[in-house]
Parts: sequence; structure tokens; C-alpha cells
Amino acid sequence: DAGITQSPRHKVTETGTPVTLRCHQTENHRYMYWYRQDPGHGLRLIHYSYGVKDTDKGEVSDGYSVSRSKTEDFLLTLESATSSQTSVYFCATRQGQETQYFGPGTRLLVL
Amino acid sequence: GENVEQHPSTLSVQEGDSAVIKCTYSDSASNYFPWYKQELGKRPQLIIDIRSNVGEKKDQRIAVTLNKTAKHFSLHITETQPEDSAVYFCAASGVDSNYQLIWGAGTKLIIKP
Repeated sequence: DAGITQSPRHKVTETGTPVTLRCHQTENHRYMYWYRQDPGHGLRLIHYSYGVKDTDKGEVSDGYSVSRSKTEDFLLTLESATSSQTSVYFCATRQGQETQYFGPGTRLLVL
Repeated sequence: GENVEQHPSTLSVQEGDSAVIKCTYSDSASNYFPWYKQELGKRPQLIIDIRSNVGEKKDQRIAVTLNKTAKHFSLHITETQPEDSAVYFCAASGVDSNYQLIWGAGTKLIIKP
């Protein structure tokens, strides 16, 4: 599983509160990704990083921000959580042209 | 940009029969095509992949075929077993997408006992 961990694994929060999810990898992979997965929508890319301090938006980036201050850590922040952000969030990593490996996921419930 | 379509969305087969899931892609420059399996409540995991210089690849009961001319690739599972029940995702990537995976919508495979 490419040494990828996510924290927390489960979180319940209230609308309007900020939430930060962490992805940590031990493989020294250059690329890191945040996806959300909702029934009927498959995997949708939120943001990705192609190096330390280098990030870009994916297809569903509104309401989310990211930061990558170290190769091993990629943080996803919901500035003000909304119920539409209730989802399962997956982090993934990639090195070069190789495939992506996924973390175990974080289940987020926004009440 | 690249677009990947996956069919069917749900596939139900009798245990022991074969299952075929098909994907089409739009960008002729795509050259890497992985398949992921996601069991209920788990992370997507790579089960097989193929690159554009190969037409077919097998790994035990699983095979993937690629038709570059028609721009489609397929996952074949033979002698299906209950543990094959899962959601399967195809994806494509290449230089035009900076090797980011463009995902199909997924196929829920149900193995009937």
C-alpha cells in the first residue's frame, strides 16, 4: 500500500467549522493527490501536488485548499465545512509515470 | 482533454462464468491503462495495468486487452469467484494529462452463487 496513511480515519463535524485532513507517505513519491468519492460519482480529483509547495486544482476544488510543506505530507483543508462535503476522501501518491497508490481513506460527516 | 467511459455500470454474473468490463478513451496520446478493484469500505487497489506497446496482458484469472486503433480497453475475469465482487475502475493517462489518471465511472460486479 505504498506506505500511505491518512488521519483522521473518521470525523464528524458541524457545518461552518474548518477541517484538516492529513496524508502521510513514506515512499518519497513526488506526486500526491486528494480525491473525494461519493455514490454515483466515482473518484473526483480535488487538488494535487507535483512537489513541495507546488499544487494545482482538480475538477472539484471549490471549498478546499491544500498545502505541501514537506515531501511526505499533503494536507487538505475545508475552510468552512458544508453538508455537501460529506464524503470519503482518499489520498494517493505517484512516482514518475507509474501508477497511483491509495491511502485507506477518511470518512467525513458534516452535520 | 481525456475522457474515459466505462460500461456497464453494473454487471451480474453467475459464479464460475466470465465477466468483461469495457472502457473507451478519447486521447490517442494516452499510453497507460490501469484497472483498480475497490471492495466495499476499502481503498482502490491496482489489479492489472497495460501500456500502449502491448496488446494484451494476463495475470492468472485476470486479463486486459487494448485496442489502440479503436481506443478501447477491456478487463476480463475468468472463472469468477465470490471474492471478485467489487467495484472496478478503469483509468487512462499519458503525456497530455501529465500522467494524471483520468477515471472511468466504475462498474459494480456482482457474483451470484
